[in-house]
Amino acid sequence: DTGVSQDPRHKITKRGQNVTFRCDPISEHNRLYWYRQTLGQGPEFLTYFQNEAQLEKSRLLSDRFSAERPKGSFSTLEIQRTEQGDSAMYLCASSLRQGGEQYFGPGTRLTVT
Amino acid sequence: GESVGLHLPTLSVQEGDNSIINCAYSNSASDYFIWYKQESGKGPQFIIDIRSNMDKRQGQRVTVLLNKTVKHLSLQIAATQPGDSAVYFCAETSRAGNMLTFGGGTRLMVKP
Repeated sequence: DTGVSQDPRHKITKRGQNVTFRCDPISEHNRLYWYRQTLGQGPEFLTYFQNEAQLEKSRLLSDRFSAERPKGSFSTLEIQRTEQGDSAMYLCASSLRQGGEQYFGPGTRLTVT
Repeated sequence: GESVGLHLPTLSVQEGDNSIINCAYSNSASDYFIWYKQESGKGPQFIIDIRSNMDKRQGQRVTVLLNKTVKHLSLQIAATQPGDSAVYFCAETSRAGNMLTFGGGTRLMVKP
C-alpha cells in the first residue's frame, strides 16, 4: 500500500453514461497525476496538478474528460458520455517534488458496455 | 485477478536465479529513470530509481544500470523469488518534467 487511494476500484457503466473517480494522494504530496492504462500497455499520462492548479494536460484528455483538485488535496476525474474506448484502468499518482518518484494508487478499472 | 498485459515480452527464470530486464528509452533529455513492478489488478509499485549523473544504483536484491550512450536501462534482480513474478515497466522523465513516460513492459515469470 503506497498511501494513495482510489475509489471505486471497479466501475461498470453503459455507453453514454457519466462516471466520476476519486483519488486521495499521500497527504504531504502537493503534486497529483492521472494516467490511463490499457491492457498490454504502460500507463499513459493524462493530466497533472500542483496543489489545486491543473498545469498540464495530455492530448489524450478529450473534452469529455475533466479533472479537478478543488482544495489541493483529493482529485476527481470525470468522463462524460462514456464510450467503449474509454474502458481502461485509470491510475492516480502523487509526488512530493518535481522530477521525483511518483507513487501510484491501485487504480480504478472502468468497463464501458 | 485480471492480466496486466496479454502480449508482453516474457522472461521466464528459475527460482533462485538472477533476472535481467532491459529497457530502451527514447528521450535524450530524460535525466531521471524509475523501475516499477505491477502485479495483476494493482497499480505500479516503485522499485528503484536512478538519475542521469549515475550509471549504477543498488537496492535490496535489485540493481539498476544506466547507459546513456545507447539510451539503455536494465534492472537486475538477484536470487529471484516467486513473489517477483509481475510485469516490470521502466519510466523516464526530466527534472523539469511532470509526466512519466513508460516503456512497454516485460512480464517476469518465476518457476519454482
